Formats: sequence, structure tokens, C-alpha cells
Amino acid sequence: KAGVTQTPRYLIKTRGQQVTLSCSPISGHRSVSWYQQTPGQGLQFLFEYFSETQRNKGNFPGRFSGRQFSNSRSEMNVSTLELGDSALYLCASSFNTVGVTDTQYFGPGTRLTVL
Amino acid sequence: GENVEQHPSTLSVQEGDSAVIKCTYSDSASNYFPWYKQELGKRPQLIIDIRSNVGEKKDQRIAVTLNKTAKHFSLHITETQPEDSAVYFCAASMDSNYQLIWGAGTKLIIKP
Repeated sequence: KAGVTQTPRYLIKTRGQQVTLSCSPISGHRSVSWYQQTPGQGLQFLFEYFSETQRNKGNFPGRFSGRQFSNSRSEMNVSTLELGDSALYLCASSFNTVGVTDTQYFGPGTRLTVL
Repeated sequence: GENVEQHPSTLSVQEGDSAVIKCTYSDSASNYFPWYKQELGKRPQLIIDIRSNVGEKKDQRIAVTLNKTAKHFSLHITETQPEDSAVYFCAASMDSNYQLIWGAGTKLIIKP
């Protein structure tokens, strides 16, 4: 099976712009979670989508949004970029067995630099 | 809500020695505890996990122990090797909400 893929891998934007990142989960996986990772800050949870619905949400401002399509692919959008949004954005997919937390498999990440 | 604390933040051990990383969680309803390894410039990868119906699980040089009463779980790496150098993350989850709550990470340094 192909692993989780993310596009683009690298992105440079300027303050005030918006950006859209894409995540394709492992075939058959229906849950996609997004994380922000900055040096020394660990994995900060953004949100999780299942069946095209946001099921869980972290403590990020409304500038961060996401969606999931019927094929389980997911996108996240950041509007009005700030310098502090520079980070590695990781997505992770899981199968989603009912009533069980399944293993999350991470993509390679998108490195976003805001100038 | 659930909170996961991870210690130490940095651990330096001599090659061949053992390393232990500990995590504590706050919600007794948590029942799934994975450990991930993230090498420099790479994605986090699951190395071992445990569910609350067992107290210990081993996979070659890696083991995880769970103490539900004290609400803590630990990662044990024996006979450490240079390739064990990485950042290790613990997490906890309740099956009822599917969300992983993450520890802050431990940077493991293996000294030659």
C-alpha cells in the first residue's frame, strides 16, 4: 500500500497570503488528522476529519481551517499568514475502527515558510 | 480534558546502556498509549503501542509498561544503538473520541 502523501513538500509565502495544503491518506483510511510542528514545540493538534466532517478540533485560531472530500483526501487552509505560522505541517491517517483508536500513519509533511 | 506529561525532555545515554522515558496522563478513561519515533528530518513513526488491558508489551529491544493505577506508562530501550538517536513522543487516547493527546517529546542522544 502506498503511504500517506502530502503536497506540496515545501512552500514559501509572504505575510497576509493564504495557503492550501493537501493530504492523501492510505487507501482505506477514513480519518485524517492535521498537526503543526515547530522546533521544540512537539506536535500541536489542529483538527481531525472523518467522513467529511470535522470530528475533533485543537486550539488554533479560525484562520486555520480544513475539509475532507468523499475520497478521504483532506486539505487544510491557512488564511492571512503570519510569521509564526512557519512550521512543518503533518497529516496522519488512520483506518477508524468503530470504538477503537487506530494507529495513525504520518505523511512526510509540508514545510511552510512565511516571510 | 486529557493532559499528557513526558519526561525527561532530553536524555543522553552511553551506547549499549538502557534508556527509559516516562509519560503520565490525567484521564483514567484513556486506554490506548502509542509511542512514536521521529528521526531528524523525517516523519513520526509508530514504534510500539499498548492498550489498557495489558501491562507490558515487548518488541525486541523496545518495551512499554503501563501502570493504570498510577496513570503512567514508560518506554524502555535496551542495548541502545546510534540509530536510536531521535525524538520520541508518547500519546494517550480514549477510544470514545479517537483523538491522540501528545506528550512534548524526549530527545534521546546516544553517546558513542
